[in-house]
Amino acid sequence: GENVEQHPSTLSVQEGDSAVIKCTYSDSASNYFPWYKQELGKGPQLIIDIRSNVGEKKDQRIAVTLNKTAKHFSLHITETQPEDSAVYFCAASDNDMRFGAGTRLTVKP
Amino acid sequence: GAVVSQHPSWVICKSGTSVKIECRSLDFQATTMFWYRQFPKQSLMLMATSNEGSKATYEQGVEKDKFLINHASLTLSTLTVTSAHPEDSSFYICSATGTEESGANVLTFGAGSRLTVL
Repeated sequence: GENVEQHPSTLSVQEGDSAVIKCTYSDSASNYFPWYKQELGKGPQLIIDIRSNVGEKKDQRIAVTLNKTAKHFSLHITETQPEDSAVYFCAASDNDMRFGAGTRLTVKP
Repeated sequence: GAVVSQHPSWVICKSGTSVKIECRSLDFQATTMFWYRQFPKQSLMLMATSNEGSKATYEQGVEKDKFLINHASLTLSTLTVTSAHPEDSSFYICSATGTEESGANVLTFGAGSRLTVL
């Protein structure tokens, strides 16, 4: 079955800096890669996703890149703000979704 | 690290029957559990949020009488799909979070349960 690994587990950056979270997956059949943001006390919310026919997708300060050959994908947040502080989860899916273990991002003002 | 066990991993049932899916936190007390549904090739849809000892909070559009959620203890939540129909066939995922004091305040996902209703 699919196995998703996510790094780092914690990440602390200064406001305005960029943050990068990386994930690898094992099942080459996976074709959908969403990223979720979970704020304290709330359920995870989808922030961006990418499908396997695309190498990069951008939405304002958030971008995701996908390297199908290497089976890894990354979340990039630019110009970070304190409200970006949360736990971020990557996931990979063909039919059944599998999640990474999460990255706790802290943005220091 | 925190582990969430979901059971069964897959189940096939006849239309009209009820199916129960269990979500257990194995090494921490889960104060809050979430239930999701994933449609093929789509993102998760949050169905409900369940806090131990209280009634689940359902998302808009999710039928409470159809999807019964029970969170009777700090380590177990169940989702019962009542009178299942083929359109209920889906992949159901739970997640759980504990308290910061317990060291399990990061959301942990179960492996999911695939339900097929014939």
